Amino acid sequence: NAGVTQTPKFQVLKTGQSMTLQCAQDMNHNSMYWYRQDPGMGLRLIYYSASEGTTDKGEVPNGYNVSRLNKREFSLRLESAAPSQTSVYFCASSEASTSGRSGSYNEQFFGPGTRLTVL
Amino acid sequence: AQSVTQLGSHVSVSEGALVLLRCNYSSSVPPYLFWYVQYPNQGLQLLLKYTSAATLVKGINGFEAEFKKSETSFHLTKPSAHMSDAAESVCAVSDLFRGGGNKLTFGTGTQLKVEL
Repeated sequence: NAGVTQTPKFQVLKTGQSMTLQCAQDMNHNSMYWYRQDPGMGLRLIYYSASEGTTDKGEVPNGYNVSRLNKREFSLRLESAAPSQTSVYFCASSEASTSGRSGSYNEQFFGPGTRLTVL
Repeated sequence: AQSVTQLGSHVSVSEGALVLLRCNYSSSVPPYLFWYVQYPNQGLQLLLKYTSAATLVKGINGFEAEFKKSETSFHLTKPSAHMSDAAESVCAVSDLFRGGGNKLTFGTGTQLKVEL
């Protein structure tokens, strides 16, 4: 059981280049998330997918696009990378939320991260 | 809107000493609270979570946290620090997105250093 996997682990891009970060989970979770982590800022949500076939913007979506390829996979694309996108990117997944707020305590499971540098 | 504040971006303790990492929350509804730990070059791992069943929550590796509504706090403690506890710990408050999925709002993290 691999949990949440991310590729690549490291990447260096030049300004204007594009790339796709891949994420897959084998826990049969409905919901998946992309975060970025920057020093002093905490984790910030970029996009999320509550269930297969749906995606929504998070707190910092500008400059990114996502695709929920199937229930297992959720990719993040940078169309034209900028130095401000230098960060560590984490993918996460969780069980679907049940009715009411009780689903709020579903744990999110995180991948190991992708360290991206944009020059 | 929900938020969490972690006082102290760095905390240093001696091995065997008490660990106290502070987290205060702001929420208009009864909160669901989490502590995650992040070891170097790894993803976040759940330490413990508060879901209103009990105010004192025990987690992995000897950590625990107490929910205090009157103080809007959820501080993380461990009676005796070990070298292996050196890591960044992050507090988070959870709610639901309208379309489903959990909305986690994170604090800025506290880096714990354990010295001999």
